[in-house]
Amino acid sequence: EIVLTQSPTTMAASPGEKVTLTCRASSSVSYMHWYQQRSGTSPKLWIYETSKLASGVPNRFSGSGSGTSYSLTINSMETEDAATYYCQQGSSYPYTFGAGTKLELK
Amino acid sequence: EVQLQESGPGLVKPSQSLSLTCSVTGYSITSNYWGWIRKFPGNKMEWMGYISYSGSTSYNPSLKSRISITRDTSKNQFFLQLNSVTTEDTATYYCARYRPHRSTFDYWGQGVMVTVSS
Repeated sequence: EIVLTQSPTTMAASPGEKVTLTCRASSSVSYMHWYQQRSGTSPKLWIYETSKLASGVPNRFSGSGSGTSYSLTINSMETEDAATYYCQQGSSYPYTFGAGTKLELK
Repeated sequence: EVQLQESGPGLVKPSQSLSLTCSVTGYSITSNYWGWIRKFPGNKMEWMGYISYSGSTSYNPSLKSRISITRDTSKNQFFLQLNSVTTEDTATYYCARYRPHRSTFDYWGQGVMVTVSS
């Protein structure tokens, strides 16, 4: 099973600040997907196949990476971006998720 | 729009079976794949399994001996049964649509919290 390690576990960012979240895989994967989960709601697909934004996702978000190292970047933090972000791999069975990065507004 | 809604008991006794229903509207479950994912206290998430448009299933090996996913196409519902539960099965359970060509879960239900306790 591929283990996904997200860092940091929690962080706080000020409005306008650039934010980078990291997901490292225990073995190489072809793509990484990201989900956003705001408090009290279900996860939403946010970025798929490493760098493609899901429908309705603002273009201040971007994704990058390859092999075992992937990242999600917010170009300029906004209030609505406060949430927990999970990475997920579907390259290797069983599909696995990271433990999440909780992003708070400073 | 695709909508999913989980339902089922919020409290299950240890050693008993957990049974949940996912009702789907806006899309036929005879198309695509439909899965279950759970989120434990502390945020760890686990893919549990899925059922395909044809009724075939795939399960996480960690659960393989305890899990069953079935469906009722006439009601556009699919079901999760998890046997011999313990307190470690306490979690929020989500149903979701799985897109195998992208390996993503693109529509999720709102989730149902299940506590295993005597």
